[in-house]
Amino acid sequence: ETGVTQTPRHLVMGMTNKKSLKCEQHLGHNAMYWYKQSAKKPLELMFVYNFKEQTENNSVPSRFSPECPNSSHLFLHLHTLQPEDSALYLCASSQEAGHAGNTIYFGEGSWLTVV
Amino acid sequence: AQSVTQLGSHVSVSEGALVLLRCNYSSSVPPYLFWYVQYPNQGLQLLLKYTSAATLVKGINGFEAEFKKSETSFHLTKPSAHMSDAAEYFCAVWTSGGYNKLIFGAGTRLAVHP
Repeated sequence: ETGVTQTPRHLVMGMTNKKSLKCEQHLGHNAMYWYKQSAKKPLELMFVYNFKEQTENNSVPSRFSPECPNSSHLFLHLHTLQPEDSALYLCASSQEAGHAGNTIYFGEGSWLTVV
Repeated sequence: AQSVTQLGSHVSVSEGALVLLRCNYSSSVPPYLFWYVQYPNQGLQLLLKYTSAATLVKGINGFEAEFKKSETSFHLTKPSAHMSDAAEYFCAVWTSGGYNKLIFGAGTRLAVHP
């Protein structure tokens, strides 16, 4: 069983749809993250949760809505997305957010295509 | 502010040749530095990390990196490339001061040809 599991691995959605990405970590960590990876762009940190509390929102549009019900689960709710939101969305976790030197562990990502 | 620069977005080597992927960092304090690898259609996997212990850090799959403070570099090397090393490699540094974050470089895509 991998440490950080993301579902679905692939998602195609229309601009008016509502869908969600799910992430679960089995590492006993307290921090969880959403990153966006687009072609030809550096990895972008979107949201950070520490002990279920959101500690960072990196100016992400409101059509992306995160939810962290507990330290093991993280969701990204998607609504009225744009084609430029098509990307690989990576979930990650670490022992605690904001601690320099902590290793961040990544899931395999969810490929999102907005049509 | 801390940052990382990866020189060369694409590197191509022959199987069996030396792999050298370059990373330079900017930090006013001793940095925590990481190398991650991303194989096609997968997430990022930790290769190795420097946390102010030994300057030569050994990682998985035969990779190693040397921290050189005088050159502000943390280059990744492997003596002999395998076809399976073809992937994208990311250098990253933790920021310090205030709320810390892991900042990634733009990545270097490594191609290995027979």
